[in-house]
Amino acid sequence: SQKIEQNSEALNIQEGKTATLTCNYTNYSPAYLQWYRQDPGRGPVFLLLIRENEKEKRKERLKVTFDTTLKQSLFHITASQPADSATYLCALGGDDKIIFGKGTRLHILP
Amino acid sequence: DTAVSQTPKYLVTQMGNDKSIKCEQNLGHDTMYWYKQDSKKFLKIMFSYNNKELIINETVPNRFSPKSPDKAHLNLHINSLELGDSAVYFCASTGLAGGGETQYFGPGTRLLVL
Repeated sequence: SQKIEQNSEALNIQEGKTATLTCNYTNYSPAYLQWYRQDPGRGPVFLLLIRENEKEKRKERLKVTFDTTLKQSLFHITASQPADSATYLCALGGDDKIIFGKGTRLHILP
Repeated sequence: DTAVSQTPKYLVTQMGNDKSIKCEQNLGHDTMYWYKQDSKKFLKIMFSYNNKELIINETVPNRFSPKSPDKAHLNLHINSLELGDSAVYFCASTGLAGGGETQYFGPGTRLLVL
C-alpha cells in the first residue's frame, strides 16, 4: 500500500539556521508533491507544490526538492525564525487523490 | 473574508447521538472534501464531492453521510457516534495555486465523544 514517511516527529533548529525536513514515499508515483504548514488548532495551509518533472522550487525562504528516483522530497527553510515553528505536512497527489504524511513538528529556538 | 468555514468549531456529545457538521466555501471551487485528523495527527481523506456529486468515499463507516446541497456546501452527518469518532474534522476545497491543485482547509471541528 502507499506510504508516506516524514523523517522525524519533531525537529529543533536554532534560529538563523536552515531547517531541513524530509518526506519519503513508497508504492506510489505521484504527479505532484505539496508541502503544507499547520499551526495548533488550525487547518493546514498550502505552501508549495512541485511536479514530478521538476527538481526544485523556491518561494522566498522556502525551497523544495523532489527526487522521483529516491522517492524523496526535501523541504528547506533558510534563515529560520521562531515564527516558522509549526507542523509541516507533506502530501502526494495525482489520479484525483491526495494523501498526507503525519507531519514534522518544527521548533525554531531563539 | 473566510474562504472555507465550518460550524461548529467544538462539539462535545454523548456516545450514540447523531450530529452534523457544516461546511461552506466562498472560493467558487467545484470540489470539496472531508478529512479526519486523529490524535496521532494523521490527516485522512474521508469523502470528496465534485459539483454536488460523490467522487471519493474512502472506506468510511456508513454512519457517516455527507450531503452537498450545492457546490459551495458540504455537510457531514454522523449517526450513532462512537468513542473512536473523536477527532478533528476538516473540510477543504480544491483550487489552483502554485502551479497545480491545492487544498484550502477550514479551521476544523473538534469532536469529542464521551
